[in-house]
Amino acid sequence: KAGVTQTPRYLIKTRGQQVTLSCSPISGHRSVSWYQQTPGQGLQFLFEYFSETQRNKGNFPGRFSGRQFSNSRSEMNVSTLELGDSALYLCASSLGPFAGGPQYFGPGTRLLVL
Amino acid sequence: KQEVTQIPAALSVPEGENLVLNCSFTDSAIYNLQWFRQDPGKGLTSLLLIQSSQREQTSGRLNASLDKSSGRSTLYIAASQPGDSATYLCAVGAGGGNKLTFGTGTQLKVEL
Repeated sequence: KAGVTQTPRYLIKTRGQQVTLSCSPISGHRSVSWYQQTPGQGLQFLFEYFSETQRNKGNFPGRFSGRQFSNSRSEMNVSTLELGDSALYLCASSLGPFAGGPQYFGPGTRLLVL
Repeated sequence: KQEVTQIPAALSVPEGENLVLNCSFTDSAIYNLQWFRQDPGKGLTSLLLIQSSQREQTSGRLNASLDKSSGRSTLYIAASQPGDSATYLCAVGAGGGNKLTFGTGTQLKVEL
């Protein structure tokens, strides 16, 4: 079974631009969560989607948004990029929003904001 | 607010040693605890998942224990190898859905 895929793997943007990242979960998995990883803050939860609905949200500004499609693929968008948005963005896939199940992570998208 | 701490932050050991990584969390109302491995610049690889009702899980040379009442978990690595060199992260599932709260990680280096 193919793992979680994320595209693109690397991105360079400038301040003020916006960016869209994509995540395809493991086949049959319907829940997708997003995380931001930075050297200073570590791994932080952004949001979780299931059945095209946001189920949970972390403590990030409204510039960070996401959506999920009927095939469970998910995208996250960051508008008006800031230097501090430079990070590794990881998505995680799981069967459903059932607390307790294992989660599987993709390789991440590394975003650099100049 | 759930806080997860990992000790030590970094560890360097000679090949063959048995070692223990520690994880502590402040709120015992968790669904599960998961240990991950992260290689430099890469995503996370799941190592072990312990449900809140379980005390431990084992996979090969790895054994993870969970003491929910004291807010602690340990990851035991037997007979360490250079290929075990990576950052090890623990994460607790709590607060609804699949949200994970991660620790700060332990950077492990196993030397020949």
